[in-house]
Amino acid sequence: DGGITQSPKYLFRKEGQNVTLSCEQNLNHDAMYWYRQDPGQGLRLIYYSQIVNDFQKGDIAEGYSVSREKKESFPLTVTSAQKNPTAFYLCASSRPSGAYNEQFFGPGTRLTVL
Amino acid sequence: GDSVTQMEGPVTLSEEAFLTINCTYTATGYPSLFWYVQYPGEGLQLLLKATKADDKGSNKGFEATYRKETTSFHLEKGSVQVSDSAVYFCALSDRKNTGFQKLVFGTGTRLLVSP
Repeated sequence: DGGITQSPKYLFRKEGQNVTLSCEQNLNHDAMYWYRQDPGQGLRLIYYSQIVNDFQKGDIAEGYSVSREKKESFPLTVTSAQKNPTAFYLCASSRPSGAYNEQFFGPGTRLTVL
Repeated sequence: GDSVTQMEGPVTLSEEAFLTINCTYTATGYPSLFWYVQYPGEGLQLLLKATKADDKGSNKGFEATYRKETTSFHLEKGSVQVSDSAVYFCALSDRKNTGFQKLVFGTGTRLLVSP
């Protein structure tokens, strides 16, 4: 079955550490996205990538970094510069981006800073 | 900028009750509209979508009609089940000149259905 996998499901980090969240898709989608979800808020876009070796900042990119070396993979690094990283992180992908294409979401990674 | 407003939850219903979750939007162009559902501890799944005015999206007994005159996309279901308990997100797509589909989400509405 095609889909999006995210790992780990739960991640704990000490303050001052960088952590990397994995996102892999086998849907052959060109576009990939990272969102952050906080209680009582909608999803907010961190970074997106429309094609391999290219990515753009979303609405809340500060303290995060990404890479897109392969079509299937779009890892997100939460750096120590992110002031409030505890949240639920969702990765998504879509076909060549267009207004009518739905985004497919992974199961998410819950990051907790201790 | 574009925005989506949903009714605050939780919405608490008994099984077989009628469901309405209100969603209104603000957009400068002609967005596509979506409802996503999130079950506990999981990612989002697309429930239904509508791409132009007067379109009706439907899936699994849920329906929503794209109303341009009222800028609304209310979610309805005639008879809810316990298994429908989840968080429902209304969203719109904002296609920038570059063709990038940015999704703008509402804050989500939690639905709790009791037996």
